Amino acid sequence: DGGITQSPKYLFRKEGQNVTLSCEQNLNHDAMYWYRQDPGQGLRLIYYSQIVNDFQKGDIAEGYSVSREKKESFPLTVTSAQKNPTAFYLCASSRGMGETQYFGPGTRLLVL
Amino acid sequence: AQSVAQPEDQVNVAEGNPLTVKCTYSVSGNPYLFWYVQYPNRGLQFLLKYITGDNLVKGSYGFEAEFNKSQTSFHLKKPSALVSDSALYFCAVRDNSGYSTLTFGKGTMLLVSP
Repeated sequence: DGGITQSPKYLFRKEGQNVTLSCEQNLNHDAMYWYRQDPGQGLRLIYYSQIVNDFQKGDIAEGYSVSREKKESFPLTVTSAQKNPTAFYLCASSRGMGETQYFGPGTRLLVL
Repeated sequence: AQSVAQPEDQVNVAEGNPLTVKCTYSVSGNPYLFWYVQYPNRGLQFLLKYITGDNLVKGSYGFEAEFNKSQTSFHLKKPSALVSDSALYFCAVRDNSGYSTLTFGKGTMLLVSP
């Protein structure tokens, strides 16, 4: 069953803590993306990766970090520098940069 | 810089009536345009896209969209709305370079009443 998986579905972060959101795809897509969704603001691009071992900052990269060591995986770390992390995080992938993006089910991050 | 405007936060329509969700865009060169739908607490689902060719694009679940270059619009339409169409709809645009990222609108909530 092909698709994009994100885990966990809900994640709780304590003050000063780094947390990592998982994104895995078995679609053999080269490009992967992380978005943040806040109510009334649409989707904003955090980071994207066109190919393994390469990634670029999006519009709101401050306080976040990523890695792309494998084609299938693109984890996002929300660091303690991100002062307002509460949001719905969406991962997407596409066959190539600029092609149709397909989304995972999302992870909701909440701050304790 | 590219941008997308969805001028309506919410659209209300009765079941069986036609629906339109509006989208206008700004981009350098020729646009690539997309519509996605999101159900509560779920990821986005791809509905349709315009790259080139016929201005009327047909997509999933009976939806279609009309590209109008002179008005820089890409409105989403459906001839007969269903209650199950109630969801959040996003329009997105990118330019036609090979390395451009998508810019999304803020979304329009569609509510279809029985």
